[in-house]
Amino acid sequence: EDQVTQSPEALRLQEGESSSLNCSYTVSGLRGLFWYRQDPGKGPEFLFTLYSAGEEKEKERLKATLTKKESFLHITAPKPEDSATYLCAVQDRAAGANNLFFGTGTRLTVIP
Amino acid sequence: DAGVTQSPTHLIKTRGQQVTLRCSPKSGHDTVSWYQQALGQGPQFIFQYYEEEERQRGNFPDRFSGHQFPNYSSELNVNALLLGDSALYLCASSFPWGQYNEQFFGPGTRLTVL
Repeated sequence: EDQVTQSPEALRLQEGESSSLNCSYTVSGLRGLFWYRQDPGKGPEFLFTLYSAGEEKEKERLKATLTKKESFLHITAPKPEDSATYLCAVQDRAAGANNLFFGTGTRLTVIP
Repeated sequence: DAGVTQSPTHLIKTRGQQVTLRCSPKSGHDTVSWYQQALGQGPQFIFQYYEEEERQRGNFPDRFSGHQFPNYSSELNVNALLLGDSALYLCASSFPWGQYNEQFFGPGTRLTVL
């Protein structure tokens, strides 16, 4: 059965203090790993898709990396507007599954 | 370019009632997926519609049903509401299977069951 575990559950950073969020996953065959940002009471906003181990993608202060067992979302010099919950999700190749299987998220707070 | 839209924004129902939620996909997308997100949890997959048919279903009871219309918009229906059905219901649209995998979410419908 697919499993996605995100850590830490919550993270408080000072503005400018870089850190990383972790997403460990177990799937029969990875079709894609997705990162989303979600603000309170709103729908998830798409950030990145990673397809194979070794792949990296960047967007502004965010960089996502992928290995065969986990993905990291690195946040460089965060700003208060980066405060949100960051969700990781996987798609499993098994049985033609293209639904997203989500972790419970990491709630990031960036303090000015 | 309009993104995914959902209506209504909020709903309050009582136990045993029925509810219908609506979703219009992002321009160019023809596949719609529905997710349920309880407070403090990640979204859970309910089902996916493509070519007006339910293509895939998550672990949800038959009280949850849906429909997709020829213009690709979709409805989620929940019958015999339970207190535990209170959640944020999210619609996501994408290209069909085999193409780009990204799913884009709407703002959600907050359902409260009293």
